[in-house]
Amino acid sequence: GAVVSQHPSRVICKSGTSVKIECRSLDFQATTMFWYRQFPKKSLMLMATSNEGSKATYEQGVEKDKFLINHASLTLSTLTVTSAHPEDSSFYICSARDLERGGELFFGEGSRLTVL
Amino acid sequence: SQQGEEDPQALSIQEGENATMNCSYKTSINNLQWYRQNSGRGLVHLILIRSNEREKHSGRLRVTLDTSKKSSSLLITASRAADTASYFCATDGGGFKTIFGAGTRLFVKA
Repeated sequence: GAVVSQHPSRVICKSGTSVKIECRSLDFQATTMFWYRQFPKKSLMLMATSNEGSKATYEQGVEKDKFLINHASLTLSTLTVTSAHPEDSSFYICSARDLERGGELFFGEGSRLTVL
Repeated sequence: SQQGEEDPQALSIQEGENATMNCSYKTSINNLQWYRQNSGRGLVHLILIRSNEREKHSGRLRVTLDTSKKSSSLLITASRAADTASYFCATDGGGFKTIFGAGTRLFVKA
């Protein structure tokens, strides 16, 4: 079945550094991907919609300069957490719709970011 | 803002019992989906029910949708310890986005 691959699954970084997380649709093309953030024991909060070939659409309250999104191809979207701080530590999950499968949303395994 | 409120927030049952989780939402939808998440992992799609459907089955899962009440329920029959996870409902919001509810944490005791 359709698979969305997310990498890295875990990353630890120092404050002030930038971290890039990749989201790939492995067997389908995704013009739109979504990035979510999840706090412990909480639900998923939509951060932004990543659009292939154009700027991402950010949800209210999400800093676009802090969370840079690039959707350079139909199978790859990246989220870069810039100048990371401990409060950015979280679980980040991407998803992509497979329009040929009725629009079902497939999720990556998530990336756990820890900022020291 | 997030829509979709699940209740209960947490549910603990014995293996073999049925587990029922409810979800309410606020706006009109095209479809509603239920997902499962094991601790620290990504989400797995369980079932999608469209706005013109009232009930859907998949194995031990039964989902109902009441658009007049803006609510849905997920029933897991004959639960197993392996069903222990968090369960989320998600609705298609405006602009092709999917909005998640707060989730129900299910614990099935062996």
